[in-house]
Amino acid sequence: EAGVAQSPRYKIIEKRQSVAFWCNPISGHATLYWYQQILGQGPKLLIQFQNNGVVDDSQLPKDRFSAERLKGVDSTLKIQPAKLEDSAVYLCASSFYGEQFFGPGTRLTVL
Amino acid sequence: RKEVEQDPGPFNVPEGATVAFNCTYSNSASQSFFWYRQDCRKEPKLLMSVYSSGNEDGRFTAQLNRASQYISLLIRDSKLSDSATYLCAVRSDRKLIWGLGTSLAVNP
Repeated sequence: EAGVAQSPRYKIIEKRQSVAFWCNPISGHATLYWYQQILGQGPKLLIQFQNNGVVDDSQLPKDRFSAERLKGVDSTLKIQPAKLEDSAVYLCASSFYGEQFFGPGTRLTVL
Repeated sequence: RKEVEQDPGPFNVPEGATVAFNCTYSNSASQSFFWYRQDCRKEPKLLMSVYSSGNEDGRFTAQLNRASQYISLLIRDSKLSDSATYLCAVRSDRKLIWGLGTSLAVNP
């Protein structure tokens, strides 16, 4: 069974630039999550989708971050404009019920 | 008080040692509990779900104490390959709340 796919794996940008990440969840998983993980910390949920509807985006900095899952399958997360403190690993996860399966993440460095 | 708190670590133990991690949670109505393992520069992977009756998988034992609102993970006969960060996650109100993780280093 294919796992959660993410791209790109690495991204280096300058502050105030824009960046987008892509995620394709495991087939059949209705729930999709985007997390931000800063070095030395646990994952912080940015947004949770159930199919193409948003379940929780309370910790998403909506002035600069946006996410969509238009057809209830793959999803994109965008940062515009990026700040230095956005440097982190962005993890996508999906679940059917209970266990979350994570993708390999995108490591973002903002210079 | 944070929703989910873990022992800060790091834990440095010799091979063969037994080590235990605890994770406390604040919401008494939490429904599900998990231990994840995260290797350096890798994504978290599920190690064990934690059931009310406790569960064991080889050298790993997970327990839940609802009265005191904590879960534990016991690793017996530690191996070098157990070196990683161990994250606990607690499901409450359809949300999965994560601890900050506990770093374990098993030394030869």
